[in-house]
Amino acid sequence: AQKITQTQPGMFVQEKEAVTLDCTYDTSDPSYGLFWYKQPSSGEMIFLIYQGSYDQQNATEGRYSLNFQKARKSANLVISASQLGDSAMYFCAIGGFQKLVFGTGTRLLVSP
Amino acid sequence: DAGVTQSPTHLIKTRGQQVTLRCSPKSGHDTVSWYQQALGQGPQFIFQYYEEEERQRGNFPDRFSGHQFPNYSSELNVNALLLGDSALYLCASSPGWAGAHQETQYFGPGTRLLVL
Repeated sequence: AQKITQTQPGMFVQEKEAVTLDCTYDTSDPSYGLFWYKQPSSGEMIFLIYQGSYDQQNATEGRYSLNFQKARKSANLVISASQLGDSAMYFCAIGGFQKLVFGTGTRLLVSP
Repeated sequence: DAGVTQSPTHLIKTRGQQVTLRCSPKSGHDTVSWYQQALGQGPQFIFQYYEEEERQRGNFPDRFSGHQFPNYSSELNVNALLLGDSALYLCASSPGWAGAHQETQYFGPGTRLLVL
């Protein structure tokens, strides 16, 4: 069975600063994908970034980067230059054969 | 390019009733997955449809059933509603059931179901 652990229920960051959201995972599958989604108060899950288990380089998408440490089974999300619009819930998920297993999420609050 | 759409946006039902939720996938996607998200929790996988068949199922009772149509749209049906079925129901689509982990799932806005 696959499992995601997000140990930070809430995080605070000032605008324009960088923030790291933690994610650790557990799986016995040799091949898997790691995903980060953002969920604003409206409810829609917005895809941010993907990392494949065999990818040699850490994934980056604009201000988002994924710090993938396979030996530690961690896949932390780094948001650079935080904006007020980044305030939302953030979920880490692991996928194999397309089923996604999500963590409990981290609520990020960006202050002016 | 239309994204994933879901209807209705909100729904109120009473215990014991039945409900049908609808989802249209993103253009070019043929695989649809359904998730239940209780308040304060992460989404939980219900089931996934491809080629009009249920391909995977999570740990949900038979009261939860679904269907996929030839145009790839999908329905989620829940019978004999319980108070605990109150949640946000999310539909996600992806481009092809290749059994590959790299197929990103794109989510719709969800349907908020309240069971009284």
